[in-house]
Amino acid sequence: GQQLNQSPQSMFIQEGEDVSMNCTSSSIFNTWLWYKQDPGEGPVLLIALYKAGELTSNGRLTAQFGITRKDSFLNISASIPSDVGIYFCAGQKETSGSRLTFGEGTQLTVNP
Amino acid sequence: NAGVTQTPKFRILKIGQSMTLQCAQDMNHNYMYWYRQDPGMGLKLIYYSVGAGITDKGEVPNGYNVSRSTTEDFPLRLELAAPSQTSVYFCASSSQIGSNQPQHFGDGTRLSIL
Repeated sequence: GQQLNQSPQSMFIQEGEDVSMNCTSSSIFNTWLWYKQDPGEGPVLLIALYKAGELTSNGRLTAQFGITRKDSFLNISASIPSDVGIYFCAGQKETSGSRLTFGEGTQLTVNP
Repeated sequence: NAGVTQTPKFRILKIGQSMTLQCAQDMNHNYMYWYRQDPGMGLKLIYYSVGAGITDKGEVPNGYNVSRSTTEDFPLRLELAAPSQTSVYFCASSSQIGSNQPQHFGDGTRLSIL
């Protein structure tokens, strides 16, 4: 099946630091999505990207849709303790009935 | 705002037992999905539905069944529970087809098969 390679698997940072994580794929996606999952909850959508090259921000979060449509990155600036959680990238194809393919997640720990 | 509601939140089953995981959405979404999430892994699609009366297999459908008799509900059935089905199950929904309609997730059902 489809695979998204997400890296890094985990990150341990100090409060105030910037964070970057990315996803790559061997195939093209028409949409890239970034979700955050807090313990005991379902994933919550952070940013959606619909066009190759698109750069979108949501507060301290910035994400980009790669030009080749095979990758995306997510940056978090000036991290705070509540940024702790698991971040997932997901790709979607127009022909897939809105099905998503998920990366394996990046576990983020922020030390105060 | 209810969104996507899953019940139960937790369940322990014995091997061979059966159960139904419930999922309901109040957003009038046509598309609904069931995923499983194993420890340290991303979500894998089990089944999905594009509308009432229509269901399709996802990436890991074996051991599961679904039905979609109404727009609101999309139950997932385990007929003969196996230890390999121990996981966290997430239901999601989205509106009309199109890449600009992101999926909304429930809070999950944590299932253990012993």
